[in-house]
Amino acid sequence: KQEVTQIPAALSVPEGENLVLNCSFTDSAIYNLQWFRQDPGKGLTSLLLIQSSQREQTSGRLNASLDKSSGRSTLYIAASQPGDSATYLCAVQGGNTPLVFGKGTRLSVIA
Amino acid sequence: DAGITQSPRHKVTETGTPVTLRCHQTENHRYMYWYRQDPGHGLRLIHYSYGVKDTDKGEVSDGYSVSRSKTEDFLLTLESATSSQTSVYFCAISGLGGNEQFFGPGTRLTVL
Repeated sequence: KQEVTQIPAALSVPEGENLVLNCSFTDSAIYNLQWFRQDPGKGLTSLLLIQSSQREQTSGRLNASLDKSSGRSTLYIAASQPGDSATYLCAVQGGNTPLVFGKGTRLSVIA
Repeated sequence: DAGITQSPRHKVTETGTPVTLRCHQTENHRYMYWYRQDPGHGLRLIHYSYGVKDTDKGEVSDGYSVSRSKTEDFLLTLESATSSQTSVYFCAISGLGGNEQFFGPGTRLTVL
C-alpha cells in the first residue's frame, strides 16, 4: 500500500528566504505526483503536476523535482513571501490507483 | 479556477438522518471524486466515478453511497449519518484518471 510522508509537519521562515518542502513515497511505481496548496478553510489549489517520466516542473517561484527511484519529491519556493503561508500537500498516483495524499507541511512566512 | 461547485457549503444534521452532498462541474471532465479531510488523517478517497453511472469505492467508502446520472453532477449520500462522519468533504475532477486533479471549495458537515 502506497504511503506518502511529508517532513517537516510545520515550518516557519522569515520573508525572503528560499525553502524546500519534502515528500517521500514508499512505492516508486507511480504515474504522477501533484503538489497542492491549501489555505485555512479553503479547498486545494493545484500547484504543479509531474508525470513519472519528468524530473521537474516549474511555475513562477515554484520548482518541483521528482526522483522516482528514491521515492522522493521536493518543492522549492524561492524568495518566500507572507502570502505563501499555507499548507502544502503532496499526492502520488499509481497506474490504476487514485491519489494518495501526505498529511502536509504547514508553512508560515514571517514578515 | 476549474468550474466546480459544492452544495451545501455547511450543514449541521443529527445522527441517523440521511444527507446528500452535491458536486457540480462545468468542465465536462470524465472523472469525479469525493474525499474527506480530517485532522491527523489528511485527505482520504471515499468514492470516485469514471463516467456516467460508473463508480468505484475508495479507501473509506463504508457508510457512503454515490450516484452520477449526468456528467456534470456527482452526489454523495450518507444513508444514516453518524458522528464519525463529521468532516470536511471535497469534490475533485480530472479529465482522465492520471491527469491533474482540481478541487472544489468543500462542504463542512457536522453530525450531532
